[in-house]
Amino acid sequence: GESVGLHLPTLSVQEGDSAVIKCTYSDSASNYFPWYKQELGKRPQLIIDIRSNMDKRQGQRVTVLLNKTVKHLSLQIAATQPGDSAVYFCAEILNSGNTPLVFGKGTRLSVIA
Amino acid sequence: GAGVSQSPRYKVAKRGQDVALRCDPISGHVSLFWYQQALGQGPEFLTYFQNEAQLDKSGLPSDRFFAERPEGSVSTLKIQRTQQEDSAVYLCASSQPSFVRSGNTIYFGEGSWLTVV
Repeated sequence: GESVGLHLPTLSVQEGDSAVIKCTYSDSASNYFPWYKQELGKRPQLIIDIRSNMDKRQGQRVTVLLNKTVKHLSLQIAATQPGDSAVYFCAEILNSGNTPLVFGKGTRLSVIA
Repeated sequence: GAGVSQSPRYKVAKRGQDVALRCDPISGHVSLFWYQQALGQGPEFLTYFQNEAQLDKSGLPSDRFFAERPEGSVSTLKIQRTQQEDSAVYLCASSQPSFVRSGNTIYFGEGSWLTVV
């Protein structure tokens, strides 16, 4: 089965509001969790990542939280803009195996102007 | 180069035809990955190289899929006797050494869009 799961396949928010995308992972030994943004027809682009020795990491308008107790990740995008509309993927490195990076199915974020 | 480059960007193949997809990784990146992304899905791992060594090919869906990186730079993903279920975007990515377990940034190409008719 899928090792990285997402709570919502789609999310719509009003421009200017915050968006929170959630994710779960299965391997408690995983130590690296990147988030990728993929616009339609474009390559996945890394927007932020977090390692297992951290609980929170902030970037420009984006914050990622890691809860190792329940194996949850969340990505918060503040002050959303239409350009934030895309599919967002969480991913993990499975320390228990050799697969370099395992992706979830993605959440499609629509920012409504 | 400035980024990961893939060719062709778009390929339409008749069922049963062989195809070859090329990837030029970022200069100096020794780790190279191939992923398959079906419509509406996340990228699925196919195979991984470190230099010319193929360290993991557990994600290749059948023996019709073959990947090589003979000189440790350019890689080719070959699909023999293509079938309709092979239709997908094939993404190549590269990274600095020692990616696995340490987690260095992985950079993706724009992908090769394969449609099998």
